[in-house]
Amino acid sequence: DQQVKQNSPSLSVQEGRISILNCDYTNSMFDYFLWYKKYPAEGPTFLISISSIKDKNEDGRFTVFLNKSAKHLSLHIVPSQPGDSAVYFCAASVGSGNTGKLIFGQGTTLQVKP
Amino acid sequence: EAGVTQFPSHSVIEKGQTVTLRCDPISGHDNLYWYRRVMGKEIKFLLHFVKESKQDESGMPNNRFLAERTGGTYSTLKVQPAELEDSGVYFCASSQDLPAGSYQETQYFGPGTRLLVL
Repeated sequence: DQQVKQNSPSLSVQEGRISILNCDYTNSMFDYFLWYKKYPAEGPTFLISISSIKDKNEDGRFTVFLNKSAKHLSLHIVPSQPGDSAVYFCAASVGSGNTGKLIFGQGTTLQVKP
Repeated sequence: EAGVTQFPSHSVIEKGQTVTLRCDPISGHDNLYWYRRVMGKEIKFLLHFVKESKQDESGMPNNRFLAERTGGTYSTLKVQPAELEDSGVYFCASSQDLPAGSYQETQYFGPGTRLLVL
């Protein structure tokens, strides 16, 4: 039973345009969400996070939106750059007091074309 | 500051053999996690150490897997005997300890060990 799902295995966008990566979750106890970026042969790198008390968090070109009622979050990258090409993982956890275990989605491979 | 390091980067072994993976967390990080990604699927949690104690080992697949963190520094993950389905990329991550009531501290991942069991 997969609690975090990324239904799009891949996404291709043109440089300069917006990339939107989506993630759905089923466990209503999740209250902290993260996005990680992964290049080939490297480990995941933390990108941005959001707690359930917010519906938006922004960091430079990266914005994460959280819709708790829909159990859905998305990552927006504007403008997209070729260096953003990587696998993006959505992850969730039960935050405060939790062990810190992260539940990951399957990942979405983003390709940004020059 | 040095990141999380893992050794070896790759390991190819035969079914039935033993393999030991090592993880060195970021200095000062009390929390250490092991995860595994099989065949391009999701990254799955295996277990969590706080210092030398196992906080959560709910993700360990079976008793062929043994994780240790002696002295609360580096950790090892031993697979004995290895089976074909153990193939995958094993990631280690570490994070700082949190004050009570805080949200998740960022987990920093190592580059992973790619294990292939033939």
